[in-house]
Amino acid sequence: AQSVAQPEDQVNVAEGNPLTVKCTYSVSGNPYLFWYVQYPNRGLQFLLKYITGDNLVKGSYGFEAEFNKSQTSFHLKKPSALVSDSALYFCAVRDGTGGFKTIFGAGTRLFVKA
Amino acid sequence: EAQVTQNPRYLITVTGKKLTVTCSQNMNHEYMSWYRQDPGLGLRQIYYSMNVEVTDKGDVPEGYKVSRKEKRNFPLILESPSPNQTSLYFCASSSTGDNTEAFFGQGTRLTVV
Repeated sequence: AQSVAQPEDQVNVAEGNPLTVKCTYSVSGNPYLFWYVQYPNRGLQFLLKYITGDNLVKGSYGFEAEFNKSQTSFHLKKPSALVSDSALYFCAVRDGTGGFKTIFGAGTRLFVKA
Repeated sequence: EAQVTQNPRYLITVTGKKLTVTCSQNMNHEYMSWYRQDPGLGLRQIYYSMNVEVTDKGDVPEGYKVSRKEKRNFPLILESPSPNQTSLYFCASSSTGDNTEAFFGQGTRLTVV
């Protein structure tokens, strides 16, 4: 069965510092992996995805994520955090062998302090 | 502009009073889905639809109904709402390619008293 774990409920980082939001997953086949961001009173917005190819994926707003097959991880990163990055971040996985079901993690709240 | 539109954004209702939350997308997407978001639980899928007249249960379908009579619309129906259905609801759509991301509506915050 598919599953996604975001081990941190909250991540705090100072503006200008690098940030990492962690995600690990479990699927039976090849994974399709996604990160979404949710700002207050808004729906989820797509940030980036890994389907195949280069393990380092670049997305919107300067975010990137690294796919690590051996560790079954897909951590979200940004070299220099902005206060405006403060939001709720969701990792999601879809099993690439078939079906269309996407499983979402519980979410990680990111606070960037000025 | 590509978008998924949900209405209403906020709703307070009483136990047992039937309600419908509408969802419409303008991207000609085949796949549409409803989720509920609760603190610490992330998004859980309620129902989904692969195309017109094709719907199926997600992980938490109890107490909900859906229909897909037109490709663009996918309403969520609560026949007899209960307080445990108080939640934040999201509609999402995507094309049916394996690697496509979802587009989400703005959300509907439902309170059942």
